[in-house]
Amino acid sequence: KAGVTQTPRYLIKTRGQQVTLSCSPISGHRSVSWYQQTPGQGLQFLFEYFSETQRNKGNFPGRFSGRQFSNSRSEMNVSTLELGDSALYLCASSALQGGSYNEQFFGPGTRLTVL
Amino acid sequence: GDSVTQMEGPVTLSEEAFLTINCTYTATGYPSLFWYVQYPGEGLQLLLKATKADDKGSNKGFEATYRKETTSFHLEKGSVQVSDSAVYFCALSDQGDKLIFGTGTRLQVFP
Repeated sequence: KAGVTQTPRYLIKTRGQQVTLSCSPISGHRSVSWYQQTPGQGLQFLFEYFSETQRNKGNFPGRFSGRQFSNSRSEMNVSTLELGDSALYLCASSALQGGSYNEQFFGPGTRLTVL
Repeated sequence: GDSVTQMEGPVTLSEEAFLTINCTYTATGYPSLFWYVQYPGEGLQLLLKATKADDKGSNKGFEATYRKETTSFHLEKGSVQVSDSAVYFCALSDQGDKLIFGTGTRLQVFP
């Protein structure tokens, strides 16, 4: 079974631009979560989607948004990029909905550099 | 809010040495606890987990016990290998799939 895939793997943008990152979950997985990883702030939760609905959201400004499609693929968008948005963006998928934790499988990430 | 604190690295060991990476947490509920590992250039992989107090998670020779009384989940391995060199993250979850991570501890193992 193919793992979580993220595209593109690397991206360079300039301040003020916007960017869209894509994540394809493991086949059959319906939940997708996004995380930002930076040397200064570590790994921080961005948001989680299940069945095209945002279930949970982290403490990020409104410039960060996401969505999920009917095939469970997800995209996240960052508008008006700032230098501090340079990070590794990780996507994770899990199989089940529910109140208890479901094991998440992470993709390799998209490395975004903002110049 | 919930948080995870883990020891800063890097931790540098010789092959076959004993490993401990400390992790403590703060949570209002009864979280599940995890250790994730990140190898260079890769995403995160779940190493082990524990979902309730006194549970012991284990995998690939690594172990961690969920200690509610000390709010800890320390990672241990009896004999590390060079291939264990990676960054290790302690994490908790008490809201569905949302994970709260520690800052990560880099482990370097030399032959």
